[in-house]
Amino acid sequence: QSVLTQPPSESGTPGQRVTISCSGSSSNIGSKTVNWYQQLPGTAPKLLIYSNNYRPSGVPDRFSGSKSGTSASLAISGLQSEDEADYHCSAWDDSLNGYVFGTGTKVTVL
Amino acid sequence: EVQLVESGGGLVQPGRSLRLSCEVSGFTFEDYAMHWVRQAPGKGLEWVSSITWNSGSIIYADSVKGRFTISRDNAKKSLYLQMNSLRVEDTALYYCARAKGSTYYYYMDVWGKGTTVTVSS
Repeated sequence: QSVLTQPPSESGTPGQRVTISCSGSSSNIGSKTVNWYQQLPGTAPKLLIYSNNYRPSGVPDRFSGSKSGTSASLAISGLQSEDEADYHCSAWDDSLNGYVFGTGTKVTVL
Repeated sequence: EVQLVESGGGLVQPGRSLRLSCEVSGFTFEDYAMHWVRQAPGKGLEWVSSITWNSGSIIYADSVKGRFTISRDNAKKSLYLQMNSLRVEDTALYYCARAKGSTYYYYMDVWGKGTTVTVSS
């Protein structure tokens, strides 16, 4: 079962800003960095944001991450049709001694 | 180009065994820790197991501890997952993923396309 909580879905029209939340605890997000993965339909996850707010090479700057306390957020500004995907947050968990993932959020572009 | 290619999945009866492999190319395998992550149909991602660059430290999720064994062969640039006493709830798409560094504390930065394991009678 997932340790990090995300909303099941979010939606927006092209050009809008969408924010996805990821809630954890002191043993994971509260003390460790957060990473975000994008999973396009039928494909493997792809690293989108690492260490809270860094983008790998090739990821558009309209994707941004932030963290505060035991929660993190992924923002997509200027939403585009190709952003329609599932988004997963992840962090190391000191109590479980392993990685934990969020429940996943499906983003729909209306 | 960095590539990870999983194989070995299939249909297996509960209680039986299966061995997954992940062959890598495009990077120096022995410099990186590796992870196995699975995704049950229609569900989110679940971390399964991780191994450091030299196999010196290995960790498992509680859901597979005692049943699954992760290993690697740096000479063959390959990662393995031996799955014993399989259960219906182990049915999932299994991904291998590279850690960003030599220990498993690093996040997963590159993923394979996955191999499907179905446990059913």
